[in-house]
Amino acid sequence: EVQLVESGGGLVQAGGSLRLSCAASGFTFSSYRMHWVRQAPGKGLVWVSLINSDGSTTTYADSVKGRFTISRDNAKNTLYLEMNSLRAEDTAVYYCARDYLGLGVWGQGTLVTVSS
Amino acid sequence: QSALTQPRSVSGSPGQSVTISCTGTSSDVGGYNYVSWYQLHPGKAPKPMIYDVSKRPSGVPDRFSGSKSGNTASLTISGLQAEDEADYYCCSWAGNSLVFGGGTKLTVL
Repeated sequence: EVQLVESGGGLVQAGGSLRLSCAASGFTFSSYRMHWVRQAPGKGLVWVSLINSDGSTTTYADSVKGRFTISRDNAKNTLYLEMNSLRAEDTAVYYCARDYLGLGVWGQGTLVTVSS
Repeated sequence: QSALTQPRSVSGSPGQSVTISCTGTSSDVGGYNYVSWYQLHPGKAPKPMIYDVSKRPSGVPDRFSGSKSGNTASLTISGLQAEDEADYYCCSWAGNSLVFGGGTKLTVL
């Protein structure tokens, strides 16, 4: 079964850091571009970042550029999002998604709460 | 990276059809045939409904269809059913990133 499972969310103070993980299974992880997408409470989906299949190319939304870093370990079938200098407005459910047939597979999400 | 424009809400009665629009620019919707649509129920992960403007993933009923004209994409749901009530988001490739719409709440009356 194709599956993505996020972890690493939690409560953090403003200015703090957190690293999210997304464990992939059931497919050849190293063949796919991957994304992080977030949804703040009561708000819509917002794209955060993407990484190509071998990790050599990354792009970010302006709102997180310079603070967040996307990476992947294809040997461990895992996607990461390193989040630094967190702000209250980063509070959201963070989803990882596989880029194939649109964002064809999503994880269940992990909640990040930044307290000010 | 401005969000795509969707109506905040649409509604329809069971059996009717509704269309949700998604307006962008020539740098996103109009420039690529990579528009996708996602259904969100509260507390659940997004479900892909349409990709590449008009293609349906396996398992999505053919009541759901997508199209595009210029800078505007559309999702049409025909034969509305109660379980279609949800939030719907469009998404487009924008060159080196993705951009989502603001979301549309579909109410089945």
